[in-house]
Amino acid sequence: QSALTQPASVSGSPGQSITISCTGTSSDVGGYNYVSWYQQHPGKAPKLMIYEVSNRPSGVPDRFSGSKSGNTASLTISGLQAEDEADYYCSSYTSSSTSWVFGGGTKLTVL
Amino acid sequence: EVQLVESGGGLVQPGRSLRLSCAASGFTFDDYAMHWVRQAPGKGLEWVSGISWNSGSIGYADSVKGRFTISRDNAKNSLYLQMNSLRAEDTALYYCARTCGGDCPVPNAFDIWGQGTMVTVSS
Repeated sequence: QSALTQPASVSGSPGQSITISCTGTSSDVGGYNYVSWYQQHPGKAPKLMIYEVSNRPSGVPDRFSGSKSGNTASLTISGLQAEDEADYYCSSYTSSSTSWVFGGGTKLTVL
Repeated sequence: EVQLVESGGGLVQPGRSLRLSCAASGFTFDDYAMHWVRQAPGKGLEWVSGISWNSGSIGYADSVKGRFTISRDNAKNSLYLQMNSLRAEDTALYYCARTCGGDCPVPNAFDIWGQGTMVTVSS
C-alpha cells in the first residue's frame, strides 16, 4: 500500500488561490471517486473538507473545492485566509488489500 | 453530540501488547464502518485497519498485518485494536474514525475523528 503523492509544501498570500495535487494509481485515485481531503491544524484531529472528489460537508466554506483527472486529484482553496494555514491530506479507497490510503501531506503556509 | 473517544494508549516495551478502545456516542454505531488511523510524531496519516458494520469485512495495512487485530462490539458502541509484538515504529497517535457507504449523508470518507490516544513503544 503505497502512499499517495502530495507536494511537501505550498504557499500563498491572503486572497490568492492555491492548488494541492494528490497523485495515485488506477488502483486508487484513478479507479474510484472516493477521494477525500482533510485539514489538520497543529495538535488537532484531522477535519474532513472534501469527500467523493468534489463534495463539501456541511459547514465547509465554498472556498474549498476538489476535482480529479485520471490518477491525480486536486484540492483548490480560493480567497486564502490566515486560518487556512494547516497540513492537508488526501485519501482514497484502494483495491489493493481493499483498504484506504493517505497522501504524505502538504503544509500550506499563508504568507 | 457525535463523538469518538479513544483510550488505552501508553508507554510499552518492544515486543509487548496493548489494547486500544474507542467509545462512540451520538450516532447509530452499527450504521458505520470503523477504522484506526495513526500518526507518528511529526509525520503524516497512515490508515492502520478497518472493520465493516457487522465485522464481516476486515482489512489491515501491510505494516501491522499479523500483529494487530481490530474488533467491535455494537452492543457497547465500541471499537478495539489489539496490538501485539509492538515495535518502535508503531509509536504514534492512534485515531479512530468512521466511514459509511453510499446511502448516508457523507459517504466514503472519514467524516468523524476522535482526538487520539498516544502509544509509545520504547524500552
